[in-house]
Amino acid sequence: DGGITQSPKYLFRKEGQNVTLSCEQNLNHDAMYWYRQDPGQGLRLIYYSQIVNDFQKGDIAEGYSVSREKKESFPLTVTSAQKNPTAFYLCASSILPGQGLENIQYFGAGTRLSVL
Amino acid sequence: AQSVTQPDIHITVSEGASLELRCNYSYGATPYLFWYVQSPGQGLQLLLKYFSGDTLVQGIKGFEAEFKRSQSSFNLRKPSVHWSDAAEYFCAVDVRNDYKLSFGAGTTVTVRA
Repeated sequence: DGGITQSPKYLFRKEGQNVTLSCEQNLNHDAMYWYRQDPGQGLRLIYYSQIVNDFQKGDIAEGYSVSREKKESFPLTVTSAQKNPTAFYLCASSILPGQGLENIQYFGAGTRLSVL
Repeated sequence: AQSVTQPDIHITVSEGASLELRCNYSYGATPYLFWYVQSPGQGLQLLLKYFSGDTLVQGIKGFEAEFKRSQSSFNLRKPSVHWSDAAEYFCAVDVRNDYKLSFGAGTTVTVRA
């Protein structure tokens, strides 16, 4: 089955610790995205990438870092600089603009991060 | 400021009754418009989308939405809800066709027997 796999489903962070959330897709999509979801605020874009070894900041990138070493993978690191990391994190992927196909983002099942 | 607004935070509806969820956007041009549904603890599933053409679009699970340019709205409807429709619903827009979505805050739907 094609899709997006996020792991782990639940993650706990100790103060001062960096943690990494995994996102893998087998949809052959070029673009990948990370969103943060807080109650009553919808989804906010953290980072996105349209090509391997390149990525751009979204609206709330402070305290987060990403890498895109492979087309299929787009891990998100929540650093100790992120003072309020407790949230639900969603990864998504899509084709690139201009490929003549409809723009649809497909989402993973999410990772819930809590602070110990 | 540019934004996506879902005025209703929470809606309760009886099973079998009709449902309408509101979405308004405040962008100058007509964006690409989407409705997603999220079950508790899960990711988002696309219900339907509007890019151009017929302003009444049909989606999965019996949902439909109507784009009204004059009102900058894209309201979601279902004629008869089922208990399985209880979930959170998000309206999203892609303003510049750059595939970055802006989301509304969501509407939680509770279905009572």
